[in-house]
Amino acid sequence: QLQLQESGPGLVKPSETLSLTCTVSGGSISSSSYYWGWIRQPPGKGLEWIGSIYYSGSTYYNPSLKSRVTISVDTSKNQFSLKLSSVTAADTAVYYCARHGEGEEATGYYYYMDVWGKGTTVTVSS
Amino acid sequence: SSELTQDPAVSVALGQTVRITCQGDSLRSYYASWYQQKPGQAPVLVIYGKNNRPSGIPDRFSGSSSGNTASLTITGAQAEDEADYYCNSRDSSGNHHYVFGTGTKVTVL
Repeated sequence: QLQLQESGPGLVKPSETLSLTCTVSGGSISSSSYYWGWIRQPPGKGLEWIGSIYYSGSTYYNPSLKSRVTISVDTSKNQFSLKLSSVTAADTAVYYCARHGEGEEATGYYYYMDVWGKGTTVTVSS
Repeated sequence: SSELTQDPAVSVALGQTVRITCQGDSLRSYYASWYQQKPGQAPVLVIYGKNNRPSGIPDRFSGSSSGNTASLTITGAQAEDEADYYCNSRDSSGNHHYVFGTGTKVTVL
């Protein structure tokens, strides 16, 4: 079945750029039915959507992070990546990648994230 | 507004019913999806759309929606249902932006 796996450095220095990759296995990232997203969770806090990308390269970012975030896709490797620049301690979190989709019922639209990676912890510290 | 508000914590006796609510303007336009998260684990989708459960999710989980409020109900709560629960929706700005609720800690007594 479809699996997602995050990878990247677990420790990043303040002011540097955090870089993570999500590898998709058991399915194609080029599916026209889904988007691919990044979500993070600071220690002891809730979930925060960072941004998403479609296989064609269309991107959508959380307005609060937009100036620092870049998400890209490499369909040849079945991977998508996150770059977050100028990090501070506030960016310390577990970072998850996830597949998300959308649908429509007679009474409205819905959006969901149905497959998640296990998450990777990133600490920002000198 | 792009905020989704949940009660911080609720408790339920084993075998009883608990309802978790999520409020926000975007829920007037879109259905919420619901996620269960146990300590140290990734979130798991439990409800999406009007009231749809992914494969493998017990039928004691159900969803509903009215106005700006979405609800997740656990009927006959089990010990393994103790977890944090988050709602999620596209925001109502017209952009492809998503927002998570503040989260509810469910304790099964």
